[in-house]
Amino acid sequence: KAGVTQTPRYLIKTRGQQVTLSCSPISGHRSVSWYQQTPGQGLQFLFEYFSETQRNKGNFPGRFSGRQFSNSRSEMNVSTLELGDSALYLCASSNGTGAFSGANVLTFGAGSRLTVL
Amino acid sequence: AQTVTQSQPEMSVQEAETVTLSCTYDTSESDYYLFWYKQPPSRQMILVIRQEAYKQQNATENRFSVNFQKAAKSFSLKISDSQLGDAAMYFCAYRYTGTASKLTFGTGTRLQVTL
Repeated sequence: KAGVTQTPRYLIKTRGQQVTLSCSPISGHRSVSWYQQTPGQGLQFLFEYFSETQRNKGNFPGRFSGRQFSNSRSEMNVSTLELGDSALYLCASSNGTGAFSGANVLTFGAGSRLTVL
Repeated sequence: AQTVTQSQPEMSVQEAETVTLSCTYDTSESDYYLFWYKQPPSRQMILVIRQEAYKQQNATENRFSVNFQKAAKSFSLKISDSQLGDAAMYFCAYRYTGTASKLTFGTGTRLQVTL
């Protein structure tokens, strides 16, 4: 069974540009979550999608957005990049169903390393 | 708001020895899960072990076990017979059982394994 696939693995952008990151979840998983990892702030939750709907959102500015497609693949977009957006962006998938979906284990991808110059 | 605290930024253990990583958390919820994730240099976050708050029995996975003290809100990870491949960042994480809840991570403990 293929794991969570994130593309691209590495990318370099300049301030003011925008970036789109992609995440393909494990087959059958309908929930996709995104996390930002930086040395200063650690791991922070960005948002979670389930069946093309955003179910939860972290405390990030509106420059950070995401979406999920009917095949459960997800993209996140960061517009007007700032130096502080340099980070490892991690995607995780889970079954996500049920009223107690918090019990489901998240399986992470290897991440996309974004550098903003 | 839930918080997770890992007070040991770095730990070191000799191969074949045992090491314990500490974690405390704060929550007003009664139904939640606690996790230990491992992040090696390859960056991929790997689940090590999971503990449901309602289960009194401590979880174990081969060489990995936890000491879950719900009243004290403590959740430590014990690694027995440490191996070189155990070297990594270890993150303690909390997740409320409700729908669409997020993982809240601690700041991590870097574990070195020496010969």
